[in-house]
Amino acid sequence: GENVEQHPSTLSVQEGDSAVIKCTYSDSASNYFPWYKQELGKGPQLIIDIRSNVGEKKDQRIAVTLNKTAKHFSLHITETQPEDSAVYFCADGGSTLGRLYFGRGTQLTVWP
Amino acid sequence: NAGVTQTPKFRILKIGQSMTLQCTQDMNHNYMYWYRQDPGMGLKLIYYSVGAGITDKGEVPNGYNVSRSTTEDFPLRLELAAPSQTSVYFCASSVRGQSANTEAFFGQGTRLTVV
Repeated sequence: GENVEQHPSTLSVQEGDSAVIKCTYSDSASNYFPWYKQELGKGPQLIIDIRSNVGEKKDQRIAVTLNKTAKHFSLHITETQPEDSAVYFCADGGSTLGRLYFGRGTQLTVWP
Repeated sequence: NAGVTQTPKFRILKIGQSMTLQCTQDMNHNYMYWYRQDPGMGLKLIYYSVGAGITDKGEVPNGYNVSRSTTEDFPLRLELAAPSQTSVYFCASSVRGQSANTEAFFGQGTRLTVV
């Protein structure tokens, strides 16, 4: 199966600072990389995704970058707010339809 | 629109007991999935289904069974509960396969403890 490494496992930032979470994957044929946010007691929710024909994608304060050569992708959150505090998961869509392979998650805490 | 609904939210089982985790979605999605989430381990795929009558194993299927008799429902069955099955279980659905650039919608989860 796929191997998705996610770092760091915990991240604490001051409100207004930026946060970066990084993931690496193993299958060079993978072409879809979503990011999910999980708030306490809830299921994960998609916040942004990127396909392999694009190097960067932005949505307001959130951006994702992809380096296919190095097989890594990153989530960037700017101007962090306390409501950004959650667990964030990266995922790799692999090359098999119907499957996602998740990283182990990053607990982000934004201090006011 | 309820989305993906899981029941129960919490359950305590004794070793060897059986139970069914229920999952239903009202979005007419073809694809449905069961994941388990263990602390610090991300989400692992147990089983998935690409449509009514079709199911397939994920990464960690041992000890579980599923069925998909309708588009809406995708129950997960534990026949002989073991402590290793203590986890939080999430059901999800998507209109196409998750690797096809399509959003997966998750339920609220079922927290299962086996003692």
